[in-house]
Amino acid sequence: DTGVSQNPRHKITKRGQNVTFRCDPISEHNRLYWYRQTLGQGPEFLTYFQNEAQLEKSRLLSDRFSAERPKGSFSTLEIQRTEQGDSAMYLCASSRSSKTSGRSDTQYFGPGTRLTVL
Amino acid sequence: AQSVSQHNHHVILSEAASLELGCNYSYGGTVNLFWYVQYPGQHLQLLLKYFSGDPLVKGIKGFEAEFIKSKFSFNLRKPSVQWSDTAEYFCAVNGDNAGNMLTFGGGTRLMVKP
Repeated sequence: DTGVSQNPRHKITKRGQNVTFRCDPISEHNRLYWYRQTLGQGPEFLTYFQNEAQLEKSRLLSDRFSAERPKGSFSTLEIQRTEQGDSAMYLCASSRSSKTSGRSDTQYFGPGTRLTVL
Repeated sequence: AQSVSQHNHHVILSEAASLELGCNYSYGGTVNLFWYVQYPGQHLQLLLKYFSGDPLVKGIKGFEAEFIKSKFSFNLRKPSVQWSDTAEYFCAVNGDNAGNMLTFGGGTRLMVKP
C-alpha cells in the first residue's frame, strides 16, 4: 500500500474564497472519511463515504462544505466562502469494510491539508 | 453519543521511565477502541486496537493497553519509554451504533527527555 495521500499539503486563502482539497485513499479501500483537527484538539469527524455514496455527515459540516467521491476512488472536499474559523488541518482516512460483525474498520490516515484563512 | 476524555494533556518523562496515559470513554453499548500516535511532522498512525476478547492488547513499539469495561477506560502503557516515543497520542472510540465514525480524545503530548 502506498498510503493515503492528500493534496495540497498546505493552503493559504483569503476569507470568502473557495478552496478544494483532494484525497486519494489506499487502493481497494472502499470507505473514505474526512476529519478536521484544530490546534490542541483531536480530529473531529466530518463525513464518510462507502464507495461513491456519502453515508454519514456530521453537524459540523455546514452548508458551505461539500464532499464528493464520484467514482468511488478519490474524494474532494470543497469549502465555499471560507471563514477564519475554517482554519484547521483537514484529514482524510480510508478503510476496507470489516467482514466481522461488531468490528470497526481500521482507519488509515493521510498527512492532512493545513488550511489557513486570512 | 460517544465521547472520549484524555485527562493528561502534557506528560514529560525521562528515558526508561514507565508510561501510562489515561483514556476514558462514554458510550452505553459495545465499543471498539483505538490508540493512534502522531510523531512530529508525521501523520496519525495506529498503535493498537481493541475489538473483543482479551482486554489486554499489545501494539507496536512495545505499547499495550488494557480495556476495563467497568471503568470505561482504555489506558495506554509502556514499561520503559525512549526519546523516540516523543509524540502526541490520541485515544479513539467507535460505538456499535455509531456507524463508522471515530470519536477522538483531545490528545496527550508526550515529551521524553534523553
